[in-house]
Amino acid sequence: NAGVMQNPRHLVRRRGQEARLRCSPMKGHSHVYWYRQLPEEGLKFMVYLQKENIIDESGMPKERFSAEFPKEGPSILRIQQVVRGDSAAYFCASSPRAGDEQYFGPGTRLTVT
Amino acid sequence: EDKVVQSPLSLVVHEGDTVTLNCSYEVTNFRSLLWYKQEKKAPTFLFMLTSSGIEKKSGRLSSILDKKELFSILNITATQTGDSAIYLCGPNAGGTSYGKLTFGQGTILTVHP
Repeated sequence: NAGVMQNPRHLVRRRGQEARLRCSPMKGHSHVYWYRQLPEEGLKFMVYLQKENIIDESGMPKERFSAEFPKEGPSILRIQQVVRGDSAAYFCASSPRAGDEQYFGPGTRLTVT
Repeated sequence: EDKVVQSPLSLVVHEGDTVTLNCSYEVTNFRSLLWYKQEKKAPTFLFMLTSSGIEKKSGRLSSILDKKELFSILNITATQTGDSAIYLCGPNAGGTSYGKLTFGQGTILTVHP
């Protein structure tokens, strides 16, 4: 049973470009969560999605960030017009049901130059 | 605002020592508390605790939750160099969604041979 998959593992963008991060949950998991880990800081919750629905986006910055989890295909975290402060590791996690333990993917390390 | 405090922030021990890591929390709509081990990549799930006073064990690791005093501890006995990592605790809370893990800043454990 493959684990949570994320791609790309490393992404370099220049200021003002768009970043798209992808997450495929574990087989049988329909709940996806995105977290961000800034340098020297802890993991911070961003958004929780179930297929085609955003359940909790209380941790998402109000501008430039969006997330989706379509009926088919991976979940995508999209950052428009990236700035240096967006440089971080972005982790995706999944669970089979709400409230179950969450399993994390390897993360995408975004560097904004 | 939800708050999670882990202590100590860092700990240096020698192989064979026993360590106790602490996690105190103040969150609304508490459902469970999760422990993770993070090496240089994705957090790896260790335990999920939902009931007070019931110890969970996995090999040399064990953990317990006190919902009255709002804390949890993670014990590691007979430490090995492979236990060196950041240990994160994260209560699962957040309204009706129960998808949001609020992580503490982590305890950095270093085990010397």
